[in-house]
Amino acid sequence: GAGVSQTPSNKVTEKGKYVELRCDPISGHTALYWYRQSLGQGPEFLIYFQGTGAADDSGLPNDRFFAVRPEGSVSTLKIQRTERGDSAVYLCASSLMGGAGETQYFGPGTRLLVL
Amino acid sequence: AQTVTQSQPEMSVQEAETVTLSCTYDTSENNYYLFWYKQPPSRQMILVIRQEAYKQQNATENRFSVNFQKAAKSFSLKISDSQLGDTAMYFCAFMKRASGTYKYIFGTGTRLKVLA
Repeated sequence: GAGVSQTPSNKVTEKGKYVELRCDPISGHTALYWYRQSLGQGPEFLIYFQGTGAADDSGLPNDRFFAVRPEGSVSTLKIQRTERGDSAVYLCASSLMGGAGETQYFGPGTRLLVL
Repeated sequence: AQTVTQSQPEMSVQEAETVTLSCTYDTSENNYYLFWYKQPPSRQMILVIRQEAYKQQNATENRFSVNFQKAAKSFSLKISDSQLGDTAMYFCAFMKRASGTYKYIFGTGTRLKVLA
């Protein structure tokens, strides 16, 4: 596609449930990033993929969060046993190779609400 | 640790006027990159302008320009001839390199409202 797409646009779930958030990056971009944006804040880094591998997962808050990118394109962020504090907008971004100064292009995000 | 500070939570400007959004950052690095992103209600972060720290010339993109003061660690965004479509949240971002990853550190944003 022309830009980064994310599905679903909005997700409402109950505390304790499992959710999956999907990101489809710009075609040809090897670098993919997940950020989390809490209300009134700027986005915060979660994880970075270079190709199929998670090169940096230092931003994941705990082991309930996991992400995959099995074929080096689409990525899925998975959250187990969701908590109310997980409510946020989850943004995905991609860049050509993940190099110095490369602009990251963002998707429209998934707004997750945990009741 | 790198930090990015946007001290103006909200600003407003009359249509066709000029407005400046401030951003300061803290880093010990010498070569780095700075960005301004716009986030309208649609949530999508849209690149407005970027600056390489090793370039002394301030970046310009049409009505958008920056005032980059490296010694003062300041990176303000000037919007000229403001338009209603400029109404959005604006985020300043510092690109940080850690463990081989180039990731953004964002400020808390400035909500800009352009008034008709």
